[in-house]
Amino acid sequence: GAVVSQHPSRVICKSGTSVKIECRSLDFQATTMFWYRQFPKQSLMLMATSNEGSKATYEQGVEKDKFLINHASLTLSTLTVTSAHPEDSSFYICSARVLGGRVTDTFGSGTRLTVV
Amino acid sequence: GQQLNQSPQSMFIQEGEDVSMNCTSSSIFNTWLWYKQDPGEGPVLLIALYKAGELTSNGRLTAQFGITRKDSFLNISASIPSDVGIYFCAGQNKPYNQGGKLIFGQGTELSVKP
Repeated sequence: GAVVSQHPSRVICKSGTSVKIECRSLDFQATTMFWYRQFPKQSLMLMATSNEGSKATYEQGVEKDKFLINHASLTLSTLTVTSAHPEDSSFYICSARVLGGRVTDTFGSGTRLTVV
Repeated sequence: GQQLNQSPQSMFIQEGEDVSMNCTSSSIFNTWLWYKQDPGEGPVLLIALYKAGELTSNGRLTAQFGITRKDSFLNISASIPSDVGIYFCAGQNKPYNQGGKLIFGQGTELSVKP
């Protein structure tokens, strides 16, 4: 079955630094990847949609200069949280989809970001 | 924007009992997906539904795509302790080959007492 690998699983960083999170589709080509943020006991909130070779589409209220998304290949998308602050601490999850096929978004295992 | 109302928010049941949860929408969806999320992990797809009226099973799980295309339910029969987790419905309102984001329900937290 489809597998999406997300790294790192946990990261602690200092305020003001940047953190990069990788999302890889291991056994399929993902033309579209999605980045979500999830607070404790809450649902997944879509941050942005990332299409290979084009600029990401950000949801309303998500700062594109703070959350940089790069989808340079059909198997890799990255999310960089720039100048992180404690309020950026959250669980970030990516998912991958093959365009043209039926919608069966496969999720990564998530990244727990703690900004101190 | 579109919202999915998922209920119940939480359930506390005895091992062996059946469980039912559902999602409703104010607008039509073309795809319904049901996911389970364990603590500290990403959601795992349980069942995918693509046609109104479609009824699909995956082991002890059964889900249906409502005829009106505005609702879906998930049933779990004979629950076991490993069914514990948060279950999310998710809908997509575009034809499958036109992309479109998933809209998630608020989740149903299931606790199973041995």
